Amino acid sequence: GAVVSQHPSWVICKSGTSVKIECRSLDFQATTMFWYRQFPKQSLMLMATSNEGSKATYEQGVEKDKFLINHASLTLSTLTVTSAHPEDSSFYICSAGGQGAPHVNTEAFFGQGTRLTVV
Amino acid sequence: GESVGLHLPTLSVQEGDNSIINCAYSNSASDYFIWYKQESGKGPQFIIDIRSNMDKRQGQRVTVLLNKTVKHLSLQIAATQPGDSAVYFCAETPRGTPLVFGKGTRLSVIA
Repeated sequence: GAVVSQHPSWVICKSGTSVKIECRSLDFQATTMFWYRQFPKQSLMLMATSNEGSKATYEQGVEKDKFLINHASLTLSTLTVTSAHPEDSSFYICSAGGQGAPHVNTEAFFGQGTRLTVV
Repeated sequence: GESVGLHLPTLSVQEGDNSIINCAYSNSASDYFIWYKQESGKGPQFIIDIRSNMDKRQGQRVTVLLNKTVKHLSLQIAATQPGDSAVYFCAETPRGTPLVFGKGTRLSVIA
């Protein structure tokens, strides 16, 4: 299957600082990538859809000014958690589909996830 | 099974037995379904998928069954091994929309 690489795999930051998480599709072009958040013992919750060359689409209840998404190329999307607080501590996971038909009846390929801890 | 609060339902099976993990989905418009396996601290890993025009699909040691009438999906794992221990999620998608994940079931294999 296709490879999606996420970096860093874990990060600890102080309250009030910002953290950037990268998601790269290594062997295919992804016009659309997705960002999920997962709290302990819970399922993945979609935060936003990242669209190459345009604005991200955020799910209801997700603050777009807090979770900044940039999808500047067909192989890279970034999620920046701004002014992080302890309640933002979570496992963040990105996924990508194929060019032209992302997530339309095709499997999604997931990154390894990033464990964010805000202290 | 259904989740209770923050606790994932857990299925414990003996090594070598067959496992059946169930999932109820909510959207009757969903036409594509995927089972994912997630090990601790890792992203979801694709196991098997099925489209709504099918009711059964088999892979290596795994079988997915789809019952659209009652909106039910199941994953069967044959000859369960310790390496199968993980959390399993079903995911559904209506055409053209992002995946929606179910609540997950923790599979614990007893050696």
